[in-house]
Amino acid sequence: QKEVEQNSGPLSVPEGAIASLNCTYSDRGSQSFFWYRQYSGKSPELIMFIYSNGDKEDGRFTAQLNKASQYVSLLIRDSQPSDSATYLCAVLNRDDKIIFGKGTRLHILP
Amino acid sequence: DAGITQSPRHKVTETGTPVTLRCHQTENHRYMYWYRQDPGHGLRLIHYSYGVKDTDKGEVSDGYSVSRSKTEDFLLTLESATSSQTSVYFCAISARKEHQPQHFGDGTRLSIL
Repeated sequence: QKEVEQNSGPLSVPEGAIASLNCTYSDRGSQSFFWYRQYSGKSPELIMFIYSNGDKEDGRFTAQLNKASQYVSLLIRDSQPSDSATYLCAVLNRDDKIIFGKGTRLHILP
Repeated sequence: DAGITQSPRHKVTETGTPVTLRCHQTENHRYMYWYRQDPGHGLRLIHYSYGVKDTDKGEVSDGYSVSRSKTEDFLLTLESATSSQTSVYFCAISARKEHQPQHFGDGTRLSIL
């Protein structure tokens, strides 16, 4: 069973600090990696995708990929209360199937 | 916001009845998806479409069928609803590539009693 694992949280981070969200995956042949944000009662929203090892930055968001360790993370700098949401990690594996993790709840403390 | 409309937004029905959920897009995207989201399971792909009349199964397709007769519409049908199909259903679309949902609809909350 190809899996994507995330800590369910909640992860509590003070406003203005860096929030670090982590995700591990089991299929070493996975190709593409995605982060979605989902506010309570709302639909998921794609915020980042990364295909290559290293860092990819977009505004306050940085996605980090380490294929050797089968690890992908999302950093949110200068965290704001509006960042409080559930963050879903998704992985496109070698079978061309996208597998979602169960999500990490992030709570930014004012 | 991407033009995706799901209907109905809420539905309560009884076990054994047929149910059809509709997803309508105005983006002319090629790929469309149906997901269900349940506590403890995350998002799971039910069926997807890569073009008109071209569909394939996802990881939880049993008990569901789909049809796509026009680019803009993707229908999900529960032929005989069961209580285990109580869930929130999301439609998603993508222009970029198969298996990379970019935009999600607002969801349909379906309760099977």
